[in-house]
Amino acid sequence: GQNIDQPTEMTATEGAIVQINCTYQTSGFNGLFWYQQHAGEAPTFLSYNVLDGLEEKGRFSSFLSRSKGYSYLLLKELQMKDSASYLCAPMDSNYQLIWGAGTKLIIKP
Amino acid sequence: IAGITQAPTSQILAAGRRMTLRCTQDMRHNAMYWYRQDLGLGLRLIHYSNTAGTTGKGEVPDGYSVSRANTDDFPLTLASAVPSQTSVYFCASSYDSSSGANVLTFGAGSRLTVL
Repeated sequence: GQNIDQPTEMTATEGAIVQINCTYQTSGFNGLFWYQQHAGEAPTFLSYNVLDGLEEKGRFSSFLSRSKGYSYLLLKELQMKDSASYLCAPMDSNYQLIWGAGTKLIIKP
Repeated sequence: IAGITQAPTSQILAAGRRMTLRCTQDMRHNAMYWYRQDLGLGLRLIHYSNTAGTTGKGEVPDGYSVSRANTDDFPLTLASAVPSQTSVYFCASSYDSSSGANVLTFGAGSRLTVL
């Protein structure tokens, strides 16, 4: 079956670095997405990885290892506005997104 | 402003009633989707449409129907609402459903409570 595993909740301090891990099992693979979702709002796109390695985009970076079925989202210089849920979503062989339940990130001053 | 509009924003509905959630996009995206989001669960796909005139069933289609008469509109209908359909519903769209870099744009969501 298809399965996504990411921590339910994480806490970090403003200005620090946090890594949110995601492991997945899918039927085929066409890349992996990370979305950010603030409470009461819609998900918004953060990153897309299809090849192994690290993709950096400002304070956010995303890493993928296809052989390990593993990805992480790295957030640097945390700001209070980064408090949100982060959704890991690999894409299967039919180009369907398989969504994790999300990791709620709490930023403390 | 380009994007997706959903209506209503929220609704309380008696069980057994019929309800249509509206979704309109102005980005000329080919694909559209309806998801539900429940606490502790990931987004679950209800129905999708890869292009105008076609629809398909997602992971949790029972009790829901959709139509895609044109590119812009993708309404979701609950024929006879039940309490288990209480959820937040998100409409989304993307340019190409058969591409790996298939970035979804989401509407603001419709919060539905069925009593």
